[in-house]
Amino acid sequence: AQSVAQPEDQVNVAEGNPLTVKCTYSVSGNPYLFWYVQYPNRGLQFLLKYITGDNLVKGSYGFEAEFNKSQTSFHLKKPSALVSDSALYFCAVRGLNQGGKLIFGQGTELSVKP
Amino acid sequence: DSGVTQTPKHLITATGQRVTLRCSPRSGDLSVYWYQQSLDQGLQFLIQYYNGEERAKGNILERFSAQQFPDLHSELNLSSLELGDSALYFCASSVLGQDSGNTIYFGEGSWLTVV
Repeated sequence: AQSVAQPEDQVNVAEGNPLTVKCTYSVSGNPYLFWYVQYPNRGLQFLLKYITGDNLVKGSYGFEAEFNKSQTSFHLKKPSALVSDSALYFCAVRGLNQGGKLIFGQGTELSVKP
Repeated sequence: DSGVTQTPKHLITATGQRVTLRCSPRSGDLSVYWYQQSLDQGLQFLIQYYNGEERAKGNILERFSAQQFPDLHSELNLSSLELGDSALYFCASSVLGQDSGNTIYFGEGSWLTVV
């Protein structure tokens, strides 16, 4: 069965420092992996995705993610965090033979302090 | 703006009542997904439709039902509401309804509070 794990409920970073939000996955076949962000009282916004090709994927708002097949990970990164990056981040995997639905991790709360 | 429109944005209703949540997918998208987000359950997939047909079913209660109409908009019906049904309900859409790299875009959600 497909699954996603985000091992950290919360990540705290100082503004200007690099940030990493971790995600590991379990999937049969080639994974389609996604990151979404949810700001307070808002919907889920698509950040980036890995389909195939280059292991380093660039997305919106300066975020990028690194796909690592051997470690079954898809960590979200940003070289320099902003206070406005504070939000809830979700990693997701496309389900195999399940109509294309997304299976989400439990979410990681990112807090960036000035 | 994702292009997925959900109404109403907020809804307060009493236990035992029935409500209908409405979703208009992005232009050109044939697949619609419904998710429930609550503090204790996280983001739970409820049901998916593709071009009017049910494609996949998740943890959707028997009191809940959904449909996708010929114009591709979708409705999620929640009946005999309980306090535990209070949650944020998301609609999402994508072009395809199968395993692929195409992106699923989410609406802003409908906040349901059952009192």
